[in-house]
Amino acid sequence: SQTIHQWPATLVQPVGSPLSLECTVEGTSNPNLYWYRQAAGRGLQLLFYSVGIGQISSEVPQNLSASRPQDRQFILSSKKLLLSDSGFYLCAWSRRTDYGYTFGSGTRLTVV
Amino acid sequence: QKEVEQNSGPLSVPEGAIASLNCTYSDRGSQSFFWYRQYSGKSPELIMSIYSNGDKEDGRFTAQLNKASQYVSLLIRDSQPSDSATYLCAVTPRGTNAGKSTFGDGTTLTVKP
Repeated sequence: SQTIHQWPATLVQPVGSPLSLECTVEGTSNPNLYWYRQAAGRGLQLLFYSVGIGQISSEVPQNLSASRPQDRQFILSSKKLLLSDSGFYLCAWSRRTDYGYTFGSGTRLTVV
Repeated sequence: QKEVEQNSGPLSVPEGAIASLNCTYSDRGSQSFFWYRQYSGKSPELIMSIYSNGDKEDGRFTAQLNKASQYVSLLIRDSQPSDSATYLCAVTPRGTNAGKSTFGDGTTLTVKP
C-alpha cells in the first residue's frame, strides 16, 4: 500500500529564518506531487506541482520554492520567512492527473 | 467570482438526518470532481470522486454531478456525529492544468446527537 510522510508536524520560526519541509511517498513510483497551503478557515491554495524529478510548476510567485531531488521526495523551502507564510502546509500525491489526492498529515507553520 | 464556491455554512443537522452539501464551479471544461472530509486540525481525506453526470453512491454518501449547471453536491444519509467535519469540494480541469485541483473554502457540518 502507498503511504505519504510529511514532517515536521508543527514548526515555529522567526521572521527571516529559512524553511525546509519534507515529504516522501512510499509504495508507488512516479507520483504526481503537490504542495498546498491552507490559511485558517479557508480552502487550499496550490503552491507547487511536480510530475517528475526536477519538473516543478510554481503556482504562486512568493518567497517559497520547491524541489524534487528523488522520484518520491518533495521539498518545500524558503530562504527568508515572512509573517504571511504562516499556515497549514500540506503535501499530497496522486497516481494520475484525473485522480483525487492523498494528503500527508500536514505541517502547521507559525512565523513569529 | 470564485472558481469553486460552496455553501458558507455552518450546517447543522440532527443525527439520522440527511445532510446536503453544495458546490458550484466556474470552469466548464472541468473533468474531475472530488469531495474531501477534513476533521478539525487534520489533513483532508478523499471520500468521493465523480467524473460523469448523475449520481454515485458509496455507503451513506452520494455525490451528484450536473455539468450543464456546473454543480456538484454531496448527500450524507443517516448522518452521524462522527460526520461532523469540514467538507471541501475540489475541481480539476482538463488540458495543461490537468491534475491541479482547485478547492472551495469548505462547508462545516455539525451533526447533533
